[in-house]
Amino acid sequence: SAVISQKPSRDICQRGTSLTIQCQVDSQVTMMFWYRQQPGQSLTLIATANQGSEATYESGFVIDKFPISRPNLTFSTLTVSNMSPEDSSIYLCSVSRQAQDRETQYFGPGTRLLVL
Amino acid sequence: AQSVAQPEDQVNVAEGNPLTVKCTYSVSGNPYLFWYVQYPNRGLQFLLKYITGDNLVKGSYGFEAEFNKSQTSFHLKKPSALVSDSALYFCAVRDAGSGNTGKLIFGQGTTLQVKP
Repeated sequence: SAVISQKPSRDICQRGTSLTIQCQVDSQVTMMFWYRQQPGQSLTLIATANQGSEATYESGFVIDKFPISRPNLTFSTLTVSNMSPEDSSIYLCSVSRQAQDRETQYFGPGTRLLVL
Repeated sequence: AQSVAQPEDQVNVAEGNPLTVKCTYSVSGNPYLFWYVQYPNRGLQFLLKYITGDNLVKGSYGFEAEFNKSQTSFHLKKPSALVSDSALYFCAVRDAGSGNTGKLIFGQGTTLQVKP
């Protein structure tokens, strides 16, 4: 499996501000994804981060609120813009590889965000 | 539409007893099925998956799961529970025909509590 790191691991932010979360993988991966886990809830896919092009967003998520970058095959960022308390969640990136294990997604440790 | 149901919010077992965490799914095509575990303040860890082949799949930490197509179920099992197995367990499904979209649909999660 890939080694995935996320920065920051947690943060407390004021409403109206923005936070950029980084996801770094120790090797090149095919697919990178961003999920949200609201308190006491399951995971919901925000978007697929596409290398060199605009991310593909799921219904209910928009680029203005969650801009995503993926400049190469090992790195992606998710920005949570103009935050409100409803954005308090765990944000997780996941990756999948090519070839034999392409169906499996491996998750980073998550970024715990609290918006006051 | 794809969906996953984990009918039990919490499962309580005594250490040394067998455990089962239930999962049922709905997809339009053939399913790819996954189990993940989330320990407190940690990200998701991959346990096991069913893609094709033998209906009984074995995974990490002594866990296994049985794919039952007629009952559309993928229950997680372990013959002898450990206190350290106490965590939040997620079942997830992906439509095999979804190509490279990679979108996983997660169940609501089941908290496993193993008591000494």
